[in-house]
Amino acid sequence: DTGVSQDPRHKITKRGQNVTFRCDPISEHNRLYWYRQTLGQGPEFLTYFQNEAQLEKSRLLSDRFSAERPKGSFSTLEIQRTEQGDSAMYLCASSTTLAGKGDTQYFGPGTRLTVL
Amino acid sequence: GQNIDQPTEMTATEGAIVQINCTYQTSGFNGLFWYQQHAGEAPTFLSYNVLDGLEEKGRFSSFLSRSKGYSYLLLKELQMKDSASYLCAVRAGGSYIPTFGRGTSLIVHP
Repeated sequence: DTGVSQDPRHKITKRGQNVTFRCDPISEHNRLYWYRQTLGQGPEFLTYFQNEAQLEKSRLLSDRFSAERPKGSFSTLEIQRTEQGDSAMYLCASSTTLAGKGDTQYFGPGTRLTVL
Repeated sequence: GQNIDQPTEMTATEGAIVQINCTYQTSGFNGLFWYQQHAGEAPTFLSYNVLDGLEEKGRFSSFLSRSKGYSYLLLKELQMKDSASYLCAVRAGGSYIPTFGRGTSLIVHP
């Protein structure tokens, strides 16, 4: 078990550019979540997948944000036409529905996005 | 929606015991999590409570009272490395998605 990994760890971009982040969950986990976290706040939920199906999206997820999990394994989060307000840490987490695991989420190291 | 309240900041002395409280208002409670987050790093799982009572895990213990909408995280024999933010997260209303509080920044000094 290598844990949840995310790539890149840091991204600096200019306003208006598109960015894409990748998340690789723990291998046997069927659920995958994306969160956004800004300084002094807890993680805010963006979206969630069970296998390849995107089952829930937050109202925070504007139409500039899109997420995919095409084969039920890794996931990508794309932000189009980035704005300075998108600057944040983007966290990915995964969990399993296996009995006894409590559906506990395990987080990756995050991608820190800075929009100039 | 859910309302989760934690103190913003706490300080404690190395070797001491500290209790971090979390209160919540929600319907359809379905579990409470505590996470530790060091600055610039991802949250790491500490504990999960779904039934009333105390769960002990080494130096850390977590307590839940569903009737009072209250939980606490108890840290014993504090070490400098325990300086971090402690996040309370509540799952409710049939959703798999926990809602996180703003976190309590714990500063441990010598």
